[in-house]
Amino acid sequence: DQQVKQNSPSLSVQEGRISILNCDYTNSMFDYFLWYKKYPAEGPTFLISISSIKDKNEDGRFTVFLNKSAKHLSLHIVPSQPGDSAVYFCAGYGGSQGNLIFGKGTKLSVKP
Amino acid sequence: GAGVSQTPSNKVTEKGKYVELRCDPISGHTALYWYRQSLGQGPEFLIYFQGTGAADDSGLPNDRFFAVRPEGSVSTLKIQRTERGDSAVYLCASSLTGSGQGYYTDTQYFGPGTRLTVL
Repeated sequence: DQQVKQNSPSLSVQEGRISILNCDYTNSMFDYFLWYKKYPAEGPTFLISISSIKDKNEDGRFTVFLNKSAKHLSLHIVPSQPGDSAVYFCAGYGGSQGNLIFGKGTKLSVKP
Repeated sequence: GAGVSQTPSNKVTEKGKYVELRCDPISGHTALYWYRQSLGQGPEFLIYFQGTGAADDSGLPNDRFFAVRPEGSVSTLKIQRTERGDSAVYLCASSLTGSGQGYYTDTQYFGPGTRLTVL
């Protein structure tokens, strides 16, 4: 039973355009969400996060939107750059336990 | 070092053997986590240490898996009687203070992982 779902395994975008990566969750106890980026043969790298008390968080070219009623969040990258090509994982966290619950990831390819 | 380090980077073993995977967290981080990532999946939680003690080991799949962190720094994940299904990338992460503090967790910083292949 997947608590965090990333339904698009891959996404291809032209350089300079917007990339939108989507994530849905089922656990209403989640109160904090994170996006990680992963290059091949490296560990995931923290990108951006959002608390459930907010609906938007922005950091440079990266913006995360949270829609609690729809249990949906999205990561916007604008403008997209070839160096953004990587696998992006959405993760949720809730309660007192230490673990993050990750989605399966979306592979983003930004073409020059 | 500046980041989380894991050794070995690759480990190939035979079914039934015992393996140890090591994680060296960021200096000063009290919380340490182990995850396992199978092909095409996201990282799956195994165990979380707060200091020397395992605060949550609910993700360990069975009693063949065990992890220790005797001095509150380096951690070792131990797998007995390995099976082919154990083949995966084992990721370690650390964070400054961890969770359970009444507010959201610190950012978890991941190491590069150990790719375990069981033949």
